Amino acid sequence: AQSVSQHNHHVILSEAASLELGCNYSYGGTVNLFWYVQYPGQHLQLLLKYFSGDPLVKGIKGFEAEFIKSKFSFNLRKPSVQWSDTAEYFCAVNAGGFKTIFGAGTRLFVKA
Amino acid sequence: DGGITQSPKYLFRKEGQNVTLSCEQNLNHDAMYWYRQDPGQGLRLIYYSQIVNDFQKGDIAEGYSVSREKKESFPLTVTSAQKNPTAFYLCASKRGDKSSYNEQFFGPGTRLTVL
Repeated sequence: AQSVSQHNHHVILSEAASLELGCNYSYGGTVNLFWYVQYPGQHLQLLLKYFSGDPLVKGIKGFEAEFIKSKFSFNLRKPSVQWSDTAEYFCAVNAGGFKTIFGAGTRLFVKA
Repeated sequence: DGGITQSPKYLFRKEGQNVTLSCEQNLNHDAMYWYRQDPGQGLRLIYYSQIVNDFQKGDIAEGYSVSREKKESFPLTVTSAQKNPTAFYLCASKRGDKSSYNEQFFGPGTRLTVL
């Protein structure tokens, strides 16, 4: 069965620190990959997605993610976090069709 | 202003009672989903529907039921058979073509507490 693993459940950073959130999935075929973000009190929303082409994808608010097929990974990065990036981040995988598998989420807290 | 609405935001029920959570979308999306979100477990799929009058069980469908009589609406009933119903419930929709790269759009969620 497909699964998505997010390495860190809680991350605490100071403002201006660099961020990398790990995501690995278990599926050998073609996949479409997503990062969603849930800011406090807001809807879950799309941060970025990958489906083909350049494995380095850029999303909103300065986030980017790199798809490394050989490692089954899709890690999320941001060079310099802000207090407003405090949120919960979910990695998700769709291997075709209507069903998307979500990771357990990573709660990021950025200290001002 | 297109989007997904869920009501109510907070819901309290006594143990043994069925309760129905509302989900409405005006995005003209064919596919709709119900997820349950528990701390540390991410989003787990309860049911999904690809088109009107059709729906499929997700990974944790036991104790839940749904209907899809209209494209815009996908209500979820939490029955008394659900052993641990207290949770945060999220509804989502997606464009109904078969492109798996389409993202899902989420509602604000309903927090259900069973007393």
